[in-house]
Amino acid sequence: SQKIEQNSEALNIQEGKTATLTCNYTNYSPAYLQWYRQDPGRGPVFLLLIRENEKEKRKERLKVTFDTTLKQSLFHITASQPADSATYLCASAGSGNTGKLIFGQGTTLQVKP
Amino acid sequence: GAVVSQHPSRVICKSGTSVKIECRSLDFQATTMFWYRQFPKQSLMLMATSNEGSKATYEQGVEKDKFLINHASLTLSTLTVTSAHPEDSSFYICSASDSSPGRNTIYFGEGSWLTVV
Repeated sequence: SQKIEQNSEALNIQEGKTATLTCNYTNYSPAYLQWYRQDPGRGPVFLLLIRENEKEKRKERLKVTFDTTLKQSLFHITASQPADSATYLCASAGSGNTGKLIFGQGTTLQVKP
Repeated sequence: GAVVSQHPSRVICKSGTSVKIECRSLDFQATTMFWYRQFPKQSLMLMATSNEGSKATYEQGVEKDKFLINHASLTLSTLTVTSAHPEDSSFYICSASDSSPGRNTIYFGEGSWLTVV
C-alpha cells in the first residue's frame, strides 16, 4: 500500500543551525509532496508543495527537495529559530483526488536558544 | 486569507451520546471536504471524503453508521459521532480544497478535541 515515512524521533538542534527533515515514500510515485507545520493541539498549516518535476523549491528560510530516484523529499529550515519548534508533516495525495492526503507520522523539531 | 473553521474546538460528552462537529469554509466554496482523526503523537488518518450534495466516501475500517457526515452546502460539512465511546476520544480535523483560480490550496481547520467520558 502507499506509504509515507518520516523519522519519528524528535530532532533537536541549536538556534541558527539548519534543520533537515526527511520524508520517504514507498509503493507509489506521487505527483507532488507537501509539507505542513503542526503545533500542539492545532490543525496543520500548509508550508510548501513540490512537484515531481521540480528538484527544489524555496520559500524564505524553507527549502524542499524532491528526489524521485531515492523516493525522498528533504525539508530544510535554515537559520532556525526557537519559534520554528513544531511537528512537521509530509503528505501527498492518494491517487486521483488532490484533497485526499496521506500523511507521514511527522517529525518534531525542537530548536534550542 | 482563506480560512476553514471548526466548531466546537473542544467538547466533552457522555458515553452513549452523540456529538456534532462543524467544518466551515469561510471565504471560498468547497464541493469536497475531508475529515481526519489524529490520536496523540500519531499522524492524521483520513476518515472520509465529504461530498456536497451526495453521500460521503469512507475509508476502509471507518464505520459510516457511527461517523455520520453531512455536506449540506458548499461551505459546511458536519461530522456526527453517534453513540460515542471513550475510544472515540481523539482530535478530529477537517480540510477543504480551495480550487479557485490562483489558489489551489488545501486548508485545514483548527481541529476539534473530543473527550468521551
